[in-house]
Amino acid sequence: DIVMTQTPLSLPVTLGQPASISCRSSQSLVYSDGNIYLSWLQQRPGQPPRLLIYKISNRFSGVPDRFSGSGAGTDFTLKISRVEAEDVGVYYCMQATQFPYTFGQGTKLEIK
Amino acid sequence: EVQLVESGGGLVQPGGSLRLSCAASGFTFSSYAMIWVRQAPGKGLEWVSEISGSDGRTYYTDSVKGRFTISRDNSKNTLYLQMNSLRAEDTAVYYCAKAGLGHFDYWGQGTLVTVSS
Repeated sequence: DIVMTQTPLSLPVTLGQPASISCRSSQSLVYSDGNIYLSWLQQRPGQPPRLLIYKISNRFSGVPDRFSGSGAGTDFTLKISRVEAEDVGVYYCMQATQFPYTFGQGTKLEIK
Repeated sequence: EVQLVESGGGLVQPGGSLRLSCAASGFTFSSYAMIWVRQAPGKGLEWVSEISGSDGRTYYTDSVKGRFTISRDNSKNTLYLQMNSLRAEDTAVYYCAKAGLGHFDYWGQGTLVTVSS
């Protein structure tokens, strides 16, 4: 199985400041079609997961442009340019390149 | 508007069975793969199973193989998860989600399954 490792697991951030979450996969996420199926999800307290970013860097419909994704190989990053109060929650990276699909442990973002 | 509504969760004894449903609307259900993901209380997300849109191919995580069966009724726009031989460690909120290409773009609100005597 592909192991997804996120850092940090806890992320206290001041409102208006940037935030960054890293995700490392234990092996390449390149699928046979050449794509990398790495996505980022947000889970606000008491809510289901919500897709933010897919295929490393593509923002899903309705996602604010303060969220961005980047990366290559086995290292990926989610960045929030200026954290807002509504960004509080847990963020997960997920790979859907190979079965079983796997998630990172989650990074809990809180406001300082 | 895409909507996914899960139902069928509840309290069941170890060794028992439960069938979850996920009613879909707002998209052409038969054209998309669907998945189940679960989240144990206070824990992270775990992918459980996937079923393809057209030919019904199925995939499972090892811990549920032989116990859970994913299926779909495209005429009813409904996804199912038949869960047999339930264990305490299956206790979780179960979410259904719609597949895009290599990602999962819409999620239901989830249904809680509690396995306990």
